[in-house]
Amino acid sequence: QQQVKQSPQSLIVQKGGISIINCAYENTAFDYFPWYQQFPGKGPALLIAIRPDVSEKKEGRFTISFNKSAKQFSLHIMDSQPGDSATYFCAASGANAGNMLTFGGGTRLMVKP
Amino acid sequence: GAGVSQSPSNKVTEKGKDVELRCDPISGHTALYWYRQSLGQGLEFLIYFQGNSAPDKSGLPSDRFSAERTGGSVSTLTIQRTQQEDSAVYLCASSSRGWGAFFGQGTRLTVV
Repeated sequence: QQQVKQSPQSLIVQKGGISIINCAYENTAFDYFPWYQQFPGKGPALLIAIRPDVSEKKEGRFTISFNKSAKQFSLHIMDSQPGDSATYFCAASGANAGNMLTFGGGTRLMVKP
Repeated sequence: GAGVSQSPSNKVTEKGKDVELRCDPISGHTALYWYRQSLGQGLEFLIYFQGNSAPDKSGLPSDRFSAERTGGSVSTLTIQRTQQEDSAVYLCASSSRGWGAFFGQGTRLTVV
């Protein structure tokens, strides 16, 4: 399966801090990059997504930054809260890549009060 | 329904028995995925359907695993002769072409 590499595997951030999760991809045919948030016992939920025609997308405290030339994208959580503690997955797909979502390995985020 | 529905939500089975897991995707979604997730682990890709065909079956761990999708809608994942290592949460997701996938709540399978 086409790879999407995610880092770090785990992250601890103090309340109010910025959480940053990074992903890198290989397939230049990818043209859709969503992020998912998963709480224990629940299925992953679509959080925010970006297409490569923009370099940044912001929704509330969540921002995706996209670097097409480097084939990298990242999730920034501003003013991190304990309720943000969850596992985050990046993913990628593309019409010329079979439209199939490829997921990163996940990042377990813990926000300390 | 409004979301992806999976049944059963929990299944306990004896080693060696066969199990069937069902996924009802969001109406109109052409793509359907099955993933497996062990406790605290990432998403292990199993199979991807586009309509009724499965262009990528590469994630099925052994020939005991099979899946089908009928009418471009409901999908069934079948595990034959279950083993203890099959214990995990099985997640189904569906999407429209070119957009993000929406996940069900999963089926927690326990093989005893």
